[in-house]
Amino acid sequence: QVQLVQPGAEVKKPGASVRLSCKASGNTFSTYYMHWVRQAPGQGLEWMGIINPTAGYTNYAQRFQGRVTMTRDTSTSTVYMDLSSLTSEDTAVYYCAGGNVLTEAFDIWGQGTMVTVSS
Amino acid sequence: EIVLTQSPGTLSLSPGERATLSCRANESVSGGYLAWYQQRPGQAPRLLIYGASSRATGIPDRFSGSGSGTDFTLTISRLEPEDFAVYFCQQYGTSPVTFGGGTRVGIK
Repeated sequence: QVQLVQPGAEVKKPGASVRLSCKASGNTFSTYYMHWVRQAPGQGLEWMGIINPTAGYTNYAQRFQGRVTMTRDTSTSTVYMDLSSLTSEDTAVYYCAGGNVLTEAFDIWGQGTMVTVSS
Repeated sequence: EIVLTQSPGTLSLSPGERATLSCRANESVSGGYLAWYQQRPGQAPRLLIYGASSRATGIPDRFSGSGSGTDFTLTISRLEPEDFAVYFCQQYGTSPVTFGGGTRVGIK
């Protein structure tokens, strides 16, 4: 059973940065591209970007360009997302999601990390 | 970017009834790369439909997707109690990936 495991919560102050992790089980890295999607409280889903875990290629949504960096550690099957210059508007649940390399749909999701930005 | 508009915003139905959800794009969705996700409270989204009409693994056949170009539909033929949730459409054929605002299916 392929799983994506994320920590439960992070609390950060405005202006700080956060690093989120997403650890994959099984042979996920060769089967999925990894996406990051966030959801503010009571709101919809917002795509942040994608990383190809084997090649390291990334593509970020324009609104996060310059503020987001996605990386991976193939030895531990973990992808990371760094988000800097946090404001209260970054308070959200951050999901990693696996995009199947065959269908490209997001068919596995982590349980999400709740990031709260507050002074 | 491709903007997806879902309607209605809320649907109030009874168990056993048919639900029809709409997703309209402001330009053609490339390659039919349109997906539907279900999200229950406190849970991550779950893939239901990909490629506009293909059911994901383990999804019951009461869920079906149709459409092409700019107009897509998710149909739930007979609502079960566990189907009352929020549904999002997504296009993943053109960067950036975008999602619709969601339709909440609530109990009447």
